[in-house]
Amino acid sequence: GENVEQHPSTLSVQEGDSAVIKCTYSDSASNYFPWYKQELGKRPQLIIDIRSNVGEKKDQRIAVTLNKTAKHFSLHITETQPEDSAVYFCAATYSSASKIIFGSGTRLSIRP
Amino acid sequence: GAGVSQSPSNKVTEKGKDVELRCDPISGHTALYWYRQRLGQGLEFLIYFQGNSAPDKSGLPSDRFSAERTGESVSTLTIQRTQQEDSAVYLCASSLSFGQTYEQYFGPGTRLTVT
Repeated sequence: GENVEQHPSTLSVQEGDSAVIKCTYSDSASNYFPWYKQELGKRPQLIIDIRSNVGEKKDQRIAVTLNKTAKHFSLHITETQPEDSAVYFCAATYSSASKIIFGSGTRLSIRP
Repeated sequence: GAGVSQSPSNKVTEKGKDVELRCDPISGHTALYWYRQRLGQGLEFLIYFQGNSAPDKSGLPSDRFSAERTGESVSTLTIQRTQQEDSAVYLCASSLSFGQTYEQYFGPGTRLTVT
């Protein structure tokens, strides 16, 4: 069925260290994988996305990797800062269309 | 330009009453989504509209939930005979589903409390 698994559910890292969040998906036809950041009390906002025709994409301190064979993708945040504290959601398209299913979220806390 | 708007921002209703939630997507966005987010939880897919195609209703949790969209504009999510477990934030998002991006733009949500 349509499913996106996300791990871990909570993550605490020291400021300046790296954080990695992992997701797996079940539909081999999925072709678009966005990551959203939701700060407390606010709406989710897109931070980075990747399409199935590339294996990695970087934007300053954040990067996403995609392994189509294994059907998993990961978010990497380097040199973490206090403002990175938020809930992060991965997502994937389903049914070769724009329908987007979200993972359950990872609450990231940055320790000073 | 204007983003996605939702109304009301907060709704408190008694168990058993019907409620209607409204979403105004970004002009020109052909795709529109409704999600439910319970406190501290993830984004639960409810329904997806794409242009004039039949909506994907596979996420609606029961027949008490329904949604409509007029063309490529306003959408309403209706919950009949509300139950306490319906309490959540209901988020609407729209996107340009064709071209280079599927980025979803979320509205501020409607916080529904069923007493």
